[in-house]
Parts: sequence; structure tokens; C-alpha cells
Amino acid sequence: EAGVAQSPRYKIIEKRQSVAFWCNPISGHATLYWYQQILGQGPKLLIQFQNNGVVDDSQLPKDRFSAERLKGVDSTLKIQPAKLEDSAVYLCASSSLWGNEQYFGPGTRLTVT
Amino acid sequence: GNSVTQMEGPVTLSEEAFLTINCTYTATGYPSLFWYVQYPGEGLQLLLKATKADDKGSNKGFEATYRKETTSFHLEKGSVQVSDSAVYFCALRTPYGQNFVFGPGTRLSVLP
Repeated sequence: EAGVAQSPRYKIIEKRQSVAFWCNPISGHATLYWYQQILGQGPKLLIQFQNNGVVDDSQLPKDRFSAERLKGVDSTLKIQPAKLEDSAVYLCASSSLWGNEQYFGPGTRLTVT
Repeated sequence: GNSVTQMEGPVTLSEEAFLTINCTYTATGYPSLFWYVQYPGEGLQLLLKATKADDKGSNKGFEATYRKETTSFHLEKGSVQVSDSAVYFCALRTPYGQNFVFGPGTRLSVLP
């Protein structure tokens, strides 16, 4: 079974530029999560989808971050414009609808200069 | 609100030493509890889990017991190896929902 795929693995941009990350969850997983992991901290949930609907986006900075999950499969997370404090690893995870386990992708390491 | 507290790292041990990483939680109801491990340059991997009080999760020589009375889920291993060097995250999943809350992580370094 293929795992959660993310791309790119690394991205360096200047502040005020925009960036997008892509995630392909495990086939058949209804729930998809985006996390932000700042160096030295645990993952912080940004947004959770169930199929193509948003379940929780309470910690998403909506003035600059957006995410979509068209057709309930792949998802993209966008930052526009980026700030220095957005430098972090962005993790995507998925789980089955009533599953008790999340499966994580390798993450995208973003550096904003 | 729901939260997870872990012992601060880094933890440095010699090979074959006994490991304990403390984890306590605050949650409404009875959450499921997890330990995830993150090796350098990789994503998080589920190490073990427990879904109800007194359950013991185990994997790769690691164990943790869900203690409702002390709201704890401490991670233990009897004899660590250099390959266990990683960051360990304690996490909970809220009941009736699918929100996961992670602790800050504890970095473990095992020296040969």
C-alpha cells in the first residue's frame, strides 16, 4: 500500500512570495490533515478535511493560508504572502473515516528568507 | 481544552540503558493515546497506541500503559539502541472526533 505522498520536499522562498504544497493521501482515506511543525515543536493542526469538506480550520491563518481538497482526494495548501515565521515543516496526514490512526507523509520543509 | 505535556529533552542515554519518557494529558472524556516517532529527515510514524484505560500498547520493544487515574501514558523501553535515536511525540485523539493533539516532542540520543 502506497503511503502519503507530498511534494515538494524542500522549498526556499523570499518573504511576501507565494508557495503551494501538494498532498496525495493513502487511497480510500476520507480524512486528510495539514499540520505545521516549527523546529523543536510538535505538529500543530492547520486544517482537517473529511472527504472534500472542512471539519476544522480553527488554527488556519486565513488571511494568508488557504487549502482545498477537490474531489475528496488530493489536497493543496497555499501560503500567500509568506512571512518569515512561516518557516516550518508542513506535514500531511490521512486516516480512514473511523480509523484511529493517522499516516503521515514525509513533509515539506519551507524556508522563508 | 485538550493538551499533552511531555518531559523536556534532550534525553541522552548509553546503549542498553532503560528509557522512560513521561507523558501526561488533559482531555474531556476518554481519549485514545499514541506515541509517534520521528527519525531525522522523516515524517512521523506511529509507534504504539492505546484506546482505553489500562490498555498497554507495545511495539519494537517499547511499551506504554494508559493510566486514567494519573492521566498518563509514559513510554518505556528496557534496553535502548543507537537506532532508537529520534524525536518521540505523545499524542491524544479526542473521543467522538478525529482531532489529534500532539505534545512538544522529546529528543532521544543514544550513544554507543
